[in-house]
This record gives sequence, structure tokens and C-alpha cells, in this order.
Amino acid sequence: DAKTTQPNSMESNEEEPVHLPCNHSTISGTDYIHWYRQLPSQGPEYVIHGLTSNVNNRMASLAIAEDRKSSTLILHRATLRDAAVYYCILRGSAGGTSYGKLTFGQGTILTVHP
Amino acid sequence: EAQVTQNPRYLITVTGKKLTVTCSQNMNHEYMSWYRQDPGLGLRQIYYSMNVEVTDKGDVPEGYKVSRKEKRNFPLILESPSPNQTSLYFCASSFKGGNQPQHFGDGTRLSIL
Repeated sequence: DAKTTQPNSMESNEEEPVHLPCNHSTISGTDYIHWYRQLPSQGPEYVIHGLTSNVNNRMASLAIAEDRKSSTLILHRATLRDAAVYYCILRGSAGGTSYGKLTFGQGTILTVHP
Repeated sequence: EAQVTQNPRYLITVTGKKLTVTCSQNMNHEYMSWYRQDPGLGLRQIYYSMNVEVTDKGDVPEGYKVSRKEKRNFPLILESPSPNQTSLYFCASSFKGGNQPQHFGDGTRLSIL
């Protein structure tokens, strides 16, 4: 299974941009990169996903390296409500059952200072 | 409202007493999955199901059973719970495919004494 590596923790100040990195050097050509976040006392929630091109949505942006071995989740202006654990995972799309088995890892704990 | 519903939300029980945690989704998702979350270990997948009557093991399946008799339900069964299964459990569902986001339930906190 393709695995991801993230820093254990990061800190940011409110209203500043945050760049959360993820390494996935064993990614296959058909793996999608997904990001989730988990707020305190809640279940994980979907943030964004991408395959090759950079992606933007109302929550964040996803920048994917050209070789796809790393990606960065960008929160453009961090707020106190963005303090959470952020998970980067890979989800296969090669057909069959490749999208079924998922490995989350420990994620990155983001602390946002007022 | 689209949601994944887990029950119970909290349970304290004793070793060896069979229990079932239910999970139901109202989004017509083919895929469902169970995770456990322990301090310092992140989320680990227990079992997943690609569709009705199709289930497979995740990374930590020992001590758990699942069934998928209906599309909307995916119960997690602990036949003989032990203290090392004390954990926070999450159910998730999605449409099939690598580009599909998962929707998670609010979690079930199990304490096995």
C-alpha cells in the first residue's frame, strides 16, 4: 500500500497562510491524493483531493508536485477554527478494489495562534 | 440531511460480552469502512466493504467481524471484546472510486473493562 509521511505538528498565526506538506514517494500513477481534517471531538471531514493538477475549493488549495511524490495543502488565511489534525492519504483508482484499503497515518497537528 | 449515523455514541462494557456498533448511511454509497483511533496511532482501518455482501480486511481486523447485508448498513461486531479494543471508532462511506471523498460518522467511544 502506498504510504504518506507528514510532519507531526505545525504552528501558524491567525490570518497567515499555512502550507501543510505531505510526502508520498511510492504513489502510483492512478492514486488520488486526498486531504481530511479532524477537529477536536469530531469525526474526520473531507477537505480536498486531486490527481495531477492543482485544485482549489472554498476550504483550501492543493498543490501537487510535478512528479506527484509530494503535495501541499494550503490554507490561505488560517483561523482559530482551522486548528485540527490534517491527514493526507492516497486512494487508488486503478479499478477493482484499489480504492478500498486506506492508510491514514498520524497526520499533522496544526496549532493556530491568535 | 446526508449523514453517517453510528450507534451507540458511548459504551462501557465488560470483557467477553458480545457487542455490535451499528453504522447507517443515507447517501446510497457503495463503499463503507470502519476505523479505530488510538492516541499516537492515528486512524487505522479495520474492515471495508465495496458493496453489499463484499467485505475485506483493513490493517487491524483481528477481533472484529463485519457484515454488509444491506447497502445502507455496515455493523461492526465484537464477538468477545477485550480491553485492547477500548478505542474511538469511526464509520465512513463513499461512492466507489478513488476520486470519491469519504463521509465520516461522529464516532463511537468504546470502553471495555
